[in-house]
Amino acid sequence: GAVVSQHPSRVICKSGTSVKIECRSLDFQATTMFWYRQFPKQSLMLMATSNEGSKATYEQGVEKDKFLINHASLTLSTLTVTSAHPEDSSFYICSARSGGGQETQYFGPGTRLLVL
Amino acid sequence: KNQVEQSPQSLIILEGKNCTLQCNYTVSPFSNLRWYKQDTGRGPVSLTIMTFSENTKSNGRYTATLDADTKQSSLHITASQLSDSASYICVVSPILTGGGNKLTFGTGTQLKVEL
Repeated sequence: GAVVSQHPSRVICKSGTSVKIECRSLDFQATTMFWYRQFPKQSLMLMATSNEGSKATYEQGVEKDKFLINHASLTLSTLTVTSAHPEDSSFYICSARSGGGQETQYFGPGTRLLVL
Repeated sequence: KNQVEQSPQSLIILEGKNCTLQCNYTVSPFSNLRWYKQDTGRGPVSLTIMTFSENTKSNGRYTATLDADTKQSSLHITASQLSDSASYICVVSPILTGGGNKLTFGTGTQLKVEL
């Protein structure tokens, strides 16, 4: 199956700093990438959808100025958590889809963020 | 509101035993239903995918069923192994007015396989 990677896998940062998470589709071109957040024992929650070359669409309640998403190429999307706070500590997962419509989303391995 | 509910919330079984996980959904119409396995600290990995017209799909020791009339799906795991310990998530892909693809996730069943 298609491979999606994330980097870093874990990150610990101080409160107030910014953290960038990369999501790459390794063997296919991803026209659409999705960013999810997952708290312990909870389901994945969609944060935003990004299409290559255009602005991301954020879900209700997700601050676009805090969670900056860039999808500059067909194989790379980045999520930057700006001015991170302890409540931003979570498991962030990206997924990628090659086309529009109902094609399968392939998930990355996730990034564990801990804000001290 | 589209919902996907799974049961049981958690399950412990002995190695070698079979188990069945349930998924009830209200998402309608939908294009497909997927079961994912998520190991702790990892992203979800697809196990099966079924369109609304399919009744069953197998992938090795995993067999998924779908009853579109009752809006129920199940995932049956045979001859469980320790490595099957994970969270199993039922995900429904709705057909949205205007297009789009916003997956609806269940809360998952946490399976633990013990010796």
